[in-house]
Amino acid sequence: DTGVSQNPRHKITKRGQNVTFRCDPISEHNRLYWYRQTLGQGPEFLTYFQNEAQLEKSRLLSDRFSAERPKGSFSTLEIQRTEQGDSAMYLCASSLEGLKGYTFGSGTRLTVV
Amino acid sequence: GEDVEQSLFLSVREGDSSVINCTYTDSSSTYLYWYKQEPGAGLQLLTYIFSNMDMKQDQRLTVLLNKKDKHLSLRIADTQTGDSAIYFCAAKGSSNTGKLIFGQGTTLQVKP
Repeated sequence: DTGVSQNPRHKITKRGQNVTFRCDPISEHNRLYWYRQTLGQGPEFLTYFQNEAQLEKSRLLSDRFSAERPKGSFSTLEIQRTEQGDSAMYLCASSLEGLKGYTFGSGTRLTVV
Repeated sequence: GEDVEQSLFLSVREGDSSVINCTYTDSSSTYLYWYKQEPGAGLQLLTYIFSNMDMKQDQRLTVLLNKKDKHLSLRIADTQTGDSAIYFCAAKGSSNTGKLIFGQGTTLQVKP
């Protein structure tokens, strides 16, 4: 068990570019979550998958954001036409249905210049 | 709407007890969590408590839940310099939701 893995750790992009982040959850975990954390704030929920089904989406997840979990294993979060306000740490977490603890990855820090 | 609030900063001396407080608004919260975040790192789950419990102890950590007042606290006994970090309280709503609502975090400073 290597924990939740997120790549890349850091991403710097120019405004207007598209970016994609990847999350590999703990292998036996069937639930996967994406959160966004800005400086000085707690994480904010973006979306949640159970297996490959996306069950919840936050209002924060605008049309420019899309998340997928095609085979119920790893997930990707894509941001199109990035804006400076998208600069944040993007955190992925996973859990096993029936157990209550959420395990977080180390995050991907996005900087939009 | 759903909200979780914490005080922003706490400073203690090494060896003292630390108490970090949290209030939440959603009375249907089923589970309440404490996470620790060190600089540049993700969140580490410390402990969680089910809403029908009023206390949970795990080594140096004691969680107290007052469901009537929607108040949660985390007590760290014999606080060490390695406990310096940001501590987040989080609440989970109904069992159908995957969403955790986090507070802003309390920065714990431990002075030698």
